[in-house]
Amino acid sequence: NAGVTQTPKFRILKIGQSMTLQCTQDMNHNYMYWYRQDPGMGLKLIYYSVGAGITDKGEVPNGYNVSRSTTEDFPLRLELAAPSQTSVYFCASTDPRGGRGQPQHFGDGTRLSIL
Amino acid sequence: RKEVEQDPGPFNVPEGATVAFNCTYSNSASQSFFWYRQDCRKEPKLLMSVYSSGNEDGRFTAQLNRASQYISLLIRDSKLSDSATYLCVVNWGTGGTSYGKLTFGQGTILTVHP
Repeated sequence: NAGVTQTPKFRILKIGQSMTLQCTQDMNHNYMYWYRQDPGMGLKLIYYSVGAGITDKGEVPNGYNVSRSTTEDFPLRLELAAPSQTSVYFCASTDPRGGRGQPQHFGDGTRLSIL
Repeated sequence: RKEVEQDPGPFNVPEGATVAFNCTYSNSASQSFFWYRQDCRKEPKLLMSVYSSGNEDGRFTAQLNRASQYISLLIRDSKLSDSATYLCVVNWGTGGTSYGKLTFGQGTILTVHP
């Protein structure tokens, strides 16, 4: 059971480059999320989606874009990488049908450095 | 004021010790409460949900005080394997598209030594 899969696991970008962080889940979860975690800090929500074709901004959306064309995939796009976007990025999903107590299932994370 | 605030730690305790973590949240409309555990350079994983009546899972006990907007986690008989960062997490979503929007505390680092 793969759960939530993120690729790549590590990446170094130059300032101004663009890239897409991939996230896919095989649990048929409607709700998916992207977070970033800076050193010594908790996770901050970037974008989230409650189903295919529906996305919304979280707490720190500036500099990022997302799309949700299928239930399984929720890619995160960085258009013009900046040093402030150096962070660890986590994708997560959950099934709302189980109620509010349902856990979010996280991918392994993508460690991104912008130099 | 941060939406979710935890003891900064770090906590360094010997095996077998009892340790307690505290957390406060600012949004009185918060609906659901959790403790997640995060190992070094790993993803967060749900440790336990926190219910109004308090709940226990083995050596772990979680308490919620809605009036004081306070959550706690007690770990008894600490093991070396308990060493991790513990994240206090709150969901204040009332439904619709706000459902499942979690707010994380900054985490408290626990190190259990022999």
